[in-house]
Amino acid sequence: EVQLVESGGGLVQPGGSLRLSCAASGFPFSAYGMTWVRQAPGKGLQWVSSTGGSGGGTYYAASVMGRFTISRDNLKNTLYLEMNSLRAEDTAIYYCAKDVRRSTGYYQPRSGFDIWGQGTMVAVSS
Amino acid sequence: SYDLTQPPSVSVSPGQTATVTCSGDGLGDKYTCWYQQKPGQSPVLVIYQDYKRPSGIPERFSGSISGNTATLTISGTQAIDEADYYCQAWDSSTAVVFGGGTKVTVL
Repeated sequence: EVQLVESGGGLVQPGGSLRLSCAASGFPFSAYGMTWVRQAPGKGLQWVSSTGGSGGGTYYAASVMGRFTISRDNLKNTLYLEMNSLRAEDTAIYYCAKDVRRSTGYYQPRSGFDIWGQGTMVAVSS
Repeated sequence: SYDLTQPPSVSVSPGQTATVTCSGDGLGDKYTCWYQQKPGQSPVLVIYQDYKRPSGIPERFSGSISGNTATLTISGTQAIDEADYYCQAWDSSTAVVFGGGTKVTVL
């Protein structure tokens, strides 16, 4: 079964840091681009960051550029999101998602995301 | 930045056709996909690359594109289709973009 399981969320003070993990199973992880999407309480979906399988291509939303870092360990089949200098507006459920198409060459997340995790909640508050 | 515009809400009677639109500059030159999200659940991809249906998605869901507007059509809408629907596209300047979402209500 294809599955994504996020972990690492929690309550953190403004200015603090957190690292989210997304454990993948049931598909060749290194062959697919992966993405983080967040959803603030009662709000819509907001893209955060994407990274290619093994051919390069990493992207960030302007709102997190310079504060968040996406990475992956293809041997551990795990995607990460390192979040620093957290702000109240970063409070959201964070989902990881798998690209619908295999990544060939330099990655561009053009096609959509077919598998999503259950999400992990991040709350930034003093 | 690149924006995708969706109507906030759409109402449909059971068995009728629901249409949800998504507009953006040059959208016809990009791929559009659609997600369904029910309360308390993760999003589900229902259409990708404008009109393709992932396996397991009912045939009543279809997608199309005309000019700068993509359309998600739900034919023979059922009560279980009541959900929020989001369009999404890729833009070279902004990367991944989501529309604001449309709440589909089955009356």
